Amino acid sequence: DTAVSQTPKYLVTQMGNDKSIKCEQNLGHDTMYWYKQDSKKFLKIMFSYNNKELIINETVPNRFSPKSPDKAHLNLHINSLELGDSAVYFCASSPYTGTLYGYTFGSGTRLTVV
Amino acid sequence: EDKVVQSPLSLVVHEGDTVTLNCSYEVTNFRSLLWYKQEKKAPTFLFMLTSSGIEKKSGRLSSILDKKELFSILNITATQTGDSAIYLCAVEEDDKIIFGKGTRLHILP
Repeated sequence: DTAVSQTPKYLVTQMGNDKSIKCEQNLGHDTMYWYKQDSKKFLKIMFSYNNKELIINETVPNRFSPKSPDKAHLNLHINSLELGDSAVYFCASSPYTGTLYGYTFGSGTRLTVV
Repeated sequence: EDKVVQSPLSLVVHEGDTVTLNCSYEVTNFRSLLWYKQEKKAPTFLFMLTSSGIEKKSGRLSSILDKKELFSILNITATQTGDSAIYLCAVEEDDKIIFGKGTRLHILP
């Protein structure tokens, strides 16, 4: 009964491959996010969706494409993986956009590109 | 059952006050504890703590870890309205990171 679940937890893949990370939340939240955590522990927002609609799209390479089939799911697809994509990716959700209440994070997906 | 518990959930103080935010955890293979400040977009990284008893400081913010009692505190002295935010604690266990639910801090002018 995990509130925000990401799969897979670990992903090791070769350069040039295409991979997806899935995220699901069972909290009934309207807004979902993808963050990238770098090696220095800094978190950078990548995308935000509110009720399946893209709200935030930070400066992220076009190789990254989010997809939200419904408001409970936000998947991240990455094309042509590069070494610099290696990081921990976090999914999060909140009741609605702009709130600071009720942010819930997933436990992260550790992506290693070799 | 939550593995990372922050308290209080919400705190309202006046400018100039000192606040102490708490984070307790229960994990098997502890690696580090992280503090973040969340305002509008991505949480801002504040501190990473790995050893007990060593205080980390950055301006008016400081934090310390107690690995025996399994908790950390984040202190903010001489608070300013700009300190209003949600403060998140996260614990690295093996290769995963577990976030607490955050403490919402509101500073009144």
